[in-house]
Amino acid sequence: AQKITQTQPGMFVQEKEAVTLDCTYDTSDPSYGLFWYKQPSSGEMIFLIYQGSYDQQNATEGRYSLNFQKARKSANLVISASQLGDSAMYFCAMREETMNRDDKIIFGKGTRLHILP
Amino acid sequence: EAGVTQFPSHSVIEKGQTVTLRCDPISGHDNLYWYRRVMGKEIKFLLHFVKESKQDESGMPNNRFLAERTGGTYSTLKVQPAELEDSGVYFCASSQMGRGRWGNEQFFGPGTRLTVL
Repeated sequence: AQKITQTQPGMFVQEKEAVTLDCTYDTSDPSYGLFWYKQPSSGEMIFLIYQGSYDQQNATEGRYSLNFQKARKSANLVISASQLGDSAMYFCAMREETMNRDDKIIFGKGTRLHILP
Repeated sequence: EAGVTQFPSHSVIEKGQTVTLRCDPISGHDNLYWYRRVMGKEIKFLLHFVKESKQDESGMPNNRFLAERTGGTYSTLKVQPAELEDSGVYFCASSQMGRGRWGNEQFFGPGTRLTVL
């Protein structure tokens, strides 16, 4: 069965430092996608980054990068030069994609990130 | 372009009452998903519509939950009768059919916070 594990319930990081949020996953599907979403205090879910299981390079989107280690089933999110506005809940998620790319997304429990001034 | 909208943003009801949540997806998105996050737990999938048809309703907790998507546009999720354990945040998401840059990115609405007293 597919599963997402985020072992850090909360993190405190000094502003301007880099942050790594951990995520491991489990799936038997050879084709899958990995996502990170940000949920600020206002409640909306904001898509940050996507990594396909067959992508050769790690995904990057601005200050966000995904450290994809397929053999270890790890998909850590790295935020460079953190900002106060990065304080939020972060969810790692996965979708099995062999059958289709419209399937449901499975989420981890989330990591609450606090950026300190 | 308008994003996914949900109504109401908050709802407080008593046990045994009925509540109906509404989701308006992004125009042109055939896929519509409902998810739920109970306090302190993962965001969990409830069901998936493709246009007006239920593609996957494996996550619906029981028959007190009824989802509809008339005409393949907006969707409603009715809880009748509501129980205490139904409290949580209900998210709606939508996506286009076919291959997007990120494999059919799901765009989330702001959620409806349901409190059952």
